[in-house]
Amino acid sequence: DQQVKQNSPSLSVQEGRISILNCDYTNSMFDYFLWYKKYPAEGPTFLISISSIKDKNEDGRFTVFLNKSAKHLSLHIVPSQPGDSAVYFCAASANGGTSYGKLTFGQGTILTVHP
Amino acid sequence: DGGITQSPKYLFRKEGQNVTLSCEQNLNHDAMYWYRQDPGQGLRLIYYSQIVNDFQKGDIAEGYSVSREKKESFPLTVTSAQKNPTAFYLCASSSGITVNSPLHFGNGTRLTVT
Repeated sequence: DQQVKQNSPSLSVQEGRISILNCDYTNSMFDYFLWYKKYPAEGPTFLISISSIKDKNEDGRFTVFLNKSAKHLSLHIVPSQPGDSAVYFCAASANGGTSYGKLTFGQGTILTVHP
Repeated sequence: DGGITQSPKYLFRKEGQNVTLSCEQNLNHDAMYWYRQDPGQGLRLIYYSQIVNDFQKGDIAEGYSVSREKKESFPLTVTSAQKNPTAFYLCASSSGITVNSPLHFGNGTRLTVT
């Protein structure tokens, strides 16, 4: 039972354009959502998060949007850079984020940004 | 620099042998976690520990064991009972208290069992 789904295994974008990575979830108890970025042979690094009381959070080139009614969130990267090429994982947490490490991860989306 | 150290980076074992993966952190975090990553799948939680001398099973604990004798260390033993042990194993830590404290991951250990 995949509670967090990233239905696009890969995404290819031209440098300077917008990258949009999508994530859907089924568990209505999830109330905190995160995006992690992972390079090959390294551990994931935290990118950006959003609480369910918000519908948007922005940090530089990265913006996460949350649509609670659709149980959908997306990560926008504008403008995309070649260094953004990595695997992006969506993750979700329940209990207000206090059980922080008990995250449910999506399968990941491989983003490739072409120069 | 504070961080999480996982060793070794690559590990090879014969089927039927137990193997222990090391994880050390100097971030003074209370909580530590072990995740497993398989191709085409997200990270899945094996075990976690919110405090020294206490740990809980995650979603896929069967065939694994852990200990938390020190705050800095959270070793994972992959036993011969684990049916599909070949995977990429990631250790993480967090303060476990505030939502503004993200998980910090190590660089992982790739275990191959033949």
